[in-house]
Amino acid sequence: GESVGLHLPTLSVQEGDNSIINCAYSNSASDYFIWYKQESGKGPQFIIDIRSNMDKRQGQRVTVLLNKTVKHLSLQIAATQPGDSAVYFCAETGNTGGFKTIFGAGTRLFVKA
Amino acid sequence: DGGITQSPKYLFRKEGQNVTLSCEQNLNHDAMYWYRQDPGQGLRLIYYSQIVNDFQKGDIAEGYSVSREKKESFPLTVTSAQKNPTAFYLCASRWDRNSNQPQHFGDGTRLSIL
Repeated sequence: GESVGLHLPTLSVQEGDNSIINCAYSNSASDYFIWYKQESGKGPQFIIDIRSNMDKRQGQRVTVLLNKTVKHLSLQIAATQPGDSAVYFCAETGNTGGFKTIFGAGTRLFVKA
Repeated sequence: DGGITQSPKYLFRKEGQNVTLSCEQNLNHDAMYWYRQDPGQGLRLIYYSQIVNDFQKGDIAEGYSVSREKKESFPLTVTSAQKNPTAFYLCASRWDRNSNQPQHFGDGTRLSIL
């Protein structure tokens, strides 16, 4: 997804609730999508990925949904925990442009105890 | 444990000085990348390397230089020509540039100007 400016979109959820983080990707030719989690002062960690021939993929407590029609990606986190507090961003790659990866600016998730 | 090690964690640059950020990986990955992260923005690609002794400019290469003399190492030099070097720098790698795979990241170096 693309964000403009210095302030990240923020999502605040209660511990135990489900979180949904959204991402609008830019290139209709992109065929591989990744969600990363970045904690303060650390590098991004891979969470889950999905290829364009799928519209849903599930991992442990996380689900990624892909809607190619509207170029939208979402990350669902079930039973959100305080350790889930971080910045989450999506990335898109296609086999054009040499498999260049485009990263969104991210969404900051706060989990309230 | 396999991974990517970046050092130092914090770095300060004086005006007119070149500084070098280290990136080492023991994942046996061919492709390595350097990104710059600024507040509220997505990662921007500085340089990337697909194989030893080969590297290509990314979107914001001006004021930076790299080398790839060994598969495991991809150091980034921030030169005095980079007028706004304050940022969080991330190194990444993956098996092969020409495929759809996630990149693995180090824990970054935060560079500031003295």
